[in-house]
Amino acid sequence: NAGVTQTPKFRILKIGQSMTLQCTQDMNHNYMYWYRQDPGMGLKLIYYSVGAGITDKGEVPNGYNVSRSTTEDFPLRLELAAPSQTSVYFCASSYEAGGGETQYFGPGTRLLVL
Amino acid sequence: QQQVKQSPQSLIVQKGGISIINCAYENTAFDYFPWYQQFPGKGPALLIAIRPDVSEKKEGRFTISFNKSAKQFSLHIMDSQPGDSATYFCAASNDYKLSFGAGTTVTVRA
Repeated sequence: NAGVTQTPKFRILKIGQSMTLQCTQDMNHNYMYWYRQDPGMGLKLIYYSVGAGITDKGEVPNGYNVSRSTTEDFPLRLELAAPSQTSVYFCASSYEAGGGETQYFGPGTRLLVL
Repeated sequence: QQQVKQSPQSLIVQKGGISIINCAYENTAFDYFPWYQQFPGKGPALLIAIRPDVSEKKEGRFTISFNKSAKQFSLHIMDSQPGDSATYFCAASNDYKLSFGAGTTVTVRA
């Protein structure tokens, strides 16, 4: 199993540009999550999904959108990139709910908005 | 606001020493408390976890101590090794979502 894979690894965006961060998991997990990690701030939940076709907002959803058309894929869309979105983005998945189930993280996407 | 407060922000320990990281929470609905370990350039990975009905859990050199009445929990790394140098995050959950602490960067000097 590859686990959770993310592409790209690194990207530079200009202010106002858009992009999609890709996330795929091959563990047949129902739950998937997007986090952003900023220095000294831990990980903040952006969006999560409890299954194909079902998504919901996390703690910091503004400026982002998600979709979940399949169990495996959970892309994160940035519209009109802003410098405040410079961060490292992690996708994670778990078999069931987070209360007791391990979340498996991808290697991250480092995004720089200039 | 940070639902889980973690300290210290960083610590340096000699090889063979003990590293202690503390976390505190306010939401009494939290019922699962994992610790994640993250190496540079990698995603976090689960290290050890505890539920509030247990006061201590040990796995190898890693121990979680849990104080439900004080709403605090801590990670102890015994006999610290250079390979333990990483960032450690405490977290808490009561449903799908994990709330993470800000992280502690541990450096183990040989």
